[in-house]
Amino acid sequence: QLQLQESGPGLVKPSETLALTCTVSGDSIKSSAYYWGWIRRTPGMGLEWIGSIYYSGNTYYTPSLKSRVTISVDTSKNTFSLKLSSVTAADTAVYYCARHTSRSSPWYRGVDVWGQGTTVTVSS
Amino acid sequence: DIVMTQSPRSLPVTPGEPASISCRSSQSLLSSNGYNYLDWYLQKPGQSPQLLIYLASNRASGVPDRFSGSGSGTDFTLKISRVEAEDVGVYYCMHVPLFTFGPGTKVEIK
Repeated sequence: QLQLQESGPGLVKPSETLALTCTVSGDSIKSSAYYWGWIRRTPGMGLEWIGSIYYSGNTYYTPSLKSRVTISVDTSKNTFSLKLSSVTAADTAVYYCARHTSRSSPWYRGVDVWGQGTTVTVSS
Repeated sequence: DIVMTQSPRSLPVTPGEPASISCRSSQSLLSSNGYNYLDWYLQKPGQSPQLLIYLASNRASGVPDRFSGSGSGTDFTLKISRVEAEDVGVYYCMHVPLFTFGPGTKVEIK
């Protein structure tokens, strides 16, 4: 059974870089059918998509965060990672990693697997 | 920018009664392939979001058949035929191409 698990610091100082990793177990991250994404839930904005990556390294970033976001994949470790730079209190959120199929294909099947989420607080 | 709206934002429900949530997109979600690229998710208290409906009307695996999705273009509806206590939480629609979520509808038991 596929499982996703987020890990990383729960506290980040303002202006620093938030870094999280999602470990995929129960399937290979190199599955050609799936993309791997990061989503966050903030008190003020609800759910917000951050970006996605394919195992080949192709990425999609939401425009409002694009200048600060880097998502990478490590197929040897079956993990993918998020870096968000120059964080402020507005980046305090629960961060989720998730799996989805191609957004533009007739075989799209939704964001069907989610991690349990990890809380990140931005504070000095 | 795409704007997703949902109504109502808060929905008190009575177990056993039906419930309905509306989602509207500022741009059509109907693709040239005939599919409407809209999802519905439920985030129960203390849990991660879970997929309910994809491509506007397809129930995800394991989702009870009391949940149904309909609509096309810019107007969509999620219906619960008979609400159960376990259905409480925040429901989100999502514009798939841009991964834009609606603001959410909080469903709670009266």
